[in-house]
Amino acid sequence: QQPVQSPQAVILREGEDAVINCSSSKALYSVHWYRQKHGEAPVFLMILLKGGEQKGHEKISASFNEKKQQSSLYLTASQLSYSGTYFCGTGGTGNQFYFGTGTSLTVIP
Amino acid sequence: EPEVTQTPSHQVTQMGQEVILRCVPISNHLYFYWYRQILGQKVEFLVSFYNNEISEKSEIFDDQFSVERPDGSNFTLKIRSTKLEDSAMYFCASSGQGVHEQYFGPGTRLTVT
Repeated sequence: QQPVQSPQAVILREGEDAVINCSSSKALYSVHWYRQKHGEAPVFLMILLKGGEQKGHEKISASFNEKKQQSSLYLTASQLSYSGTYFCGTGGTGNQFYFGTGTSLTVIP
Repeated sequence: EPEVTQTPSHQVTQMGQEVILRCVPISNHLYFYWYRQILGQKVEFLVSFYNNEISEKSEIFDDQFSVERPDGSNFTLKIRSTKLEDSAMYFCASSGQGVHEQYFGPGTRLTVT
């Protein structure tokens, strides 16, 4: 039930791009993306509800595939402020909610 | 901007003691959640609460745990008899609707000695 993320960790130089993947063995009702900086609470980035949906937030965007079993988060022209751990989160038709395994992103100058 | 608040920020307790972690969700939100995060690990769902009752809970949320909304503003998590492995950061979150974005509080770091 808990989604799996890849890669586990990535190091980028400022200006480089990254893709973080979130996969599930069964169709998801929705997928959320959150970023957590060290010692802080997760912060909501975006939610995708429909298969085939793509959504953007400044230079961070995400997609949800047609079968609703995979989502990807795209970070373009990364900035130092993008550093943190990224979690996808999935909800069902009930009110349970499960975070993925997390991807640690470090952006260096 | 409205925010979720949690108290205390840090709680130290002895094994076997009861602790109550407190949260004040955003005032017009209807769905409330508790999560825990063991240091360096992922965020784990504990329980969701809607309409004054538990709507979902995970395997972690056993009989040692309980939640309550004692008044119109507070949302509490009680751990009856703490164990060393309960040491973690506990986050409260709230959302306006079930599948919408969740707003997290700053967390309570629980240390069981």
